[in-house]
Amino acid sequence: DTAVSQTPKYLVTQMGNDKSIKCEQNLGHDTMYWYKQDSKKFLKIMFSYNNKELIINETVPNRFSPKSPDKAHLNLHINSLELGDSAVYFCASSRASGRRFFGPGTRLTVL
Amino acid sequence: DQQVKQNSPSLSVQEGRISILNCDYTNSMFDYFLWYKKYPAEGPTFLISISSIKDKNEDGRFTVFLNKSAKHLSLHIVPSQPGDSAVYFCAALKTASGGGADGLTFGKGTHLIIQP
Repeated sequence: DTAVSQTPKYLVTQMGNDKSIKCEQNLGHDTMYWYKQDSKKFLKIMFSYNNKELIINETVPNRFSPKSPDKAHLNLHINSLELGDSAVYFCASSRASGRRFFGPGTRLTVL
Repeated sequence: DQQVKQNSPSLSVQEGRISILNCDYTNSMFDYFLWYKKYPAEGPTFLISISSIKDKNEDGRFTVFLNKSAKHLSLHIVPSQPGDSAVYFCAALKTASGGGADGLTFGKGTHLIIQP
């Protein structure tokens, strides 16, 4: 069974579109995250969320918004996509602030 | 401002020899360090970690050494095997902050290539 899953694995879309990436974890963790790996290969935190608190990295544009329908899911919505949004996005989860378990990543390409 | 630095983008090691991956950090508030391994088209997977109260942690072929005064840690893999070929990320955590959006800071990664 996959611990942290993301869909889709690949996403190709035009500039200006709105898209979502879904993430689910079956580990019973209480905290979920979104990371972005850009062209320079840095893995940077975008959001962390538990059922009480959303913490946003201040560098993330407000076109990006996480939505958590329940404890096992944290979806990423992106409005008005820009070329610079092209990257690999990783979802992760953890128990409290412990070690992260990562999903397989979603490669987003904005044309 | 890179708080966690992996200065070697790639490292090539012969199978059976020791692989040593290095990581430096600048923030003295970091008190927990992790190594993640990443294969292409997959997410990073946890490999080994070390708390700042220790200077060494060993798990099978993998050993992590921490030199707090130098703000330096290293991952030793011995003996290196072909399946070890991957990108290795060093990461650091400020546990006192409770994690949060910037609780885990990653280095840029080192691509380890094990040659037969």
